[in-house]
Amino acid sequence: GENVEQHPSTLSVQEGDSAVIKCTYSDSASNYFPWYKQELGKRPQLIIDIRSNVGEKKDQRIAVTLNKTAKHFSLHITETQPEDSAVYFCAAPRDIMIKAAGNKLTFGGGTRVLVKP
Amino acid sequence: GAVVSQHPSWVICKSGTSVKIECRSLDFQATTMFWYRQFPKQSLMLMATSNEGSKATYEQGVEKDKFLINHASLTLSTLTVTSAHPEDSSFYICSASSSGRHEQYFGPGTRLTVT
Repeated sequence: GENVEQHPSTLSVQEGDSAVIKCTYSDSASNYFPWYKQELGKRPQLIIDIRSNVGEKKDQRIAVTLNKTAKHFSLHITETQPEDSAVYFCAAPRDIMIKAAGNKLTFGGGTRVLVKP
Repeated sequence: GAVVSQHPSWVICKSGTSVKIECRSLDFQATTMFWYRQFPKQSLMLMATSNEGSKATYEQGVEKDKFLINHASLTLSTLTVTSAHPEDSSFYICSASSSGRHEQYFGPGTRLTVT
C-alpha cells in the first residue's frame, strides 16, 4: 500500500516569509496529490492539488511541485500571513490499482504551521 | 460547490449506547463516502469506504459490527457507533467524492464523547 511521509511536523515562520512542506510517497502509480488545510476543530479543506502529468501548479500565494522520479511533492506558501497558521496534510492515492477502492487517500502525518506576526 | 454537512457536530453519550452520525453531500452526488477518525494532534485515519448501494469496506483493525455504515443514497451516508465505550471518544469526519473524480470534500466532523 501507499506510504506517505511528511516533514517537518512543525514549522514556525515569521509573517511574510515562505513556508515549505515536503511529502514523499511510495507507490509510483500514484497520480493525484492533494493538500489540505485544517484549522483547529474544523474540517480539512482542500487548498490545492496536482496531478502527475504536471510538475507545478500555482494558486495565488500557494504552489505545489511534484517530482515523480524522486516520488516527492511539496507545498510552498509565500508571503505568509497569520491566517495561514493551521495544520497542513498532504495525501496520495492508495490501492490505486483496485477499482473498488474508490479513490482512497493515504494522509501524511501533518505539519503544524505557525505564522508569527 | 462541493459542500458536505455532518450531523451532529458534537454528541455526548453514555457507555453502552449507540450513536448515529449523518454525512450529507449537499450539492453533488457522492458515489463514494469515506469515514475517518482523528485523534488530537494526529492525522486522519481511514476507517471505511462506502459506495452507494453496496456494503462498506472496512480498513484492517476496524470492527464492522461496531461501526455500522450505511450509504443508502447518493447524498447520505451514516455511521453508527454501537455499544459505545469511552475509548470510542474521538473526532469522526466523513468525506465525499463523486464518480471518476479524485477530490474528497470533508464534512465538519463530529466530536463524540462517551462517558
